[in-house]
Order: sequence, then C-alpha cells, then structure tokens
Amino acid sequence: EPEVTQTPSHQVTQMGQEVILRCVPISNHLYFYWYRQILGQKVEFLVSFYNNEISEKSEIFDDQFSVERPDGSNFTLKIRSTKLEDSAMYFCASSPRTSNQPQHFGDGTRLSIL
Amino acid sequence: AQSVTQLDSQVPVFEEAPVELRCNYSSSVSVYLFWYVQYPNQGLQLLLKYLSGSTLVKGINGFEAEFNKSQTSFHLRKPSVHISDTAEYFCATSSGSARQLTFGSGTQLTVLP
Repeated sequence: EPEVTQTPSHQVTQMGQEVILRCVPISNHLYFYWYRQILGQKVEFLVSFYNNEISEKSEIFDDQFSVERPDGSNFTLKIRSTKLEDSAMYFCASSPRTSNQPQHFGDGTRLSIL
Repeated sequence: AQSVTQLDSQVPVFEEAPVELRCNYSSSVSVYLFWYVQYPNQGLQLLLKYLSGSTLVKGINGFEAEFNKSQTSFHLRKPSVHISDTAEYFCATSSGSARQLTFGSGTQLTVLP
C-alpha cells in the first residue's frame, strides 16, 4: 500500500537555525498538509497546499514558516529561525483528488530545538 | 471553529474485554468524522471514517463507531480487545469546505493481560 514518507525521522537543531522537513506524499494525491504535535498536546493543523499554493493556514503558521513543492514528488516545510517552542513532532499528510477523503499520514519528524 | 473533545485521556482495559472510547464534536451543518490510531513511534493510521449514510461505521482491526447527531458524538467501540490494540486513539473532524482536520486530545488505550 502506498505510504507518505518523511525524512529525517529525528532532527536536532540549534535555536535560530533554519530547518527543512521533507515529505514525499502518495503519488496520485493532490492535497498536502503539515500538522504538528507538541509533546503532551493535541495534533494541530499548520497548513494545506493544493495546486502549488497554500489553500489554508492556521494562526501557528506565521512568517517563519513556509512550504514548497520543489518538484513532482517532494513537499517541504521550512522553519526559518527556529525557537525552542518549535520542538514538536511534525506530520505530513496527503489526500486524493476528491473532497473530504481521508488524509494519509507519514510517521513524522521529531524536531528538537536546543 | 470546529472542536473535538475526547473525554478520557487514558483507558486501561483487560484483554478480551469490550472497550468504548468517547468522542464529542461541536455541531456543524455538515461534518465528517474520523478515528485515527497511533502506535508508538509511528504516524497516524486511519481506523474508520464517517462521511454520510449509515450511522454505524465499521473500520479496520474490528473497530466500529456510531455517529449520533443528536448527541454530537462519535464513540469508538470494540467488543473484544487484544494486547496489540494498545495505542493512542485520536478522534478528528473536518467540515464543509475546510479540509483541515481538527483533532481531539487523544485517548491512550492500554490493554492489560
């Protein structure tokens, strides 16, 4: 069964540094998402992406965040200047063409900011 | 804004016993409901979904859930649990044109031998 894959599984970064989290969505999916889960808290929506542009974003997704689909397979989340509070598990998800189809999640990247 | 409440943060249960994990959502004109499971060090795996139609939804691994519009609930049930069902379970919703998922805080199900 096709899977969403995320790399790396664990990223350790110094505060203030830029970090890029990578995702390969399922190949025939058209909608892409990033979520994050701070330890002990809910899974929170960050951003959705369709047709090479952001379709929705949450209040969390401020100017330090950006997303990109640099080629036909990768979907990246960039955090420009990381803060301690960015430490979390980041999940990528994708869903197919039709609306309200379930989102398929990757295994996540654990981001630790020192 | 949508919201989801999972009333129990932890549910311990003995093997082969039945279990119910509770989920309530804020009401909306149209709502889509999902249960996801997260095993340790893994991502979120879809258990089942309610989009429309029959209010009783069957999912993978013997789980089922019932959509109750009057009580705005979508409780997850399994008649007989196994040790391997030990995991965190998340209820989630999306509505209307908003494709983003809103998650509950999760319920840790621990199945005891």
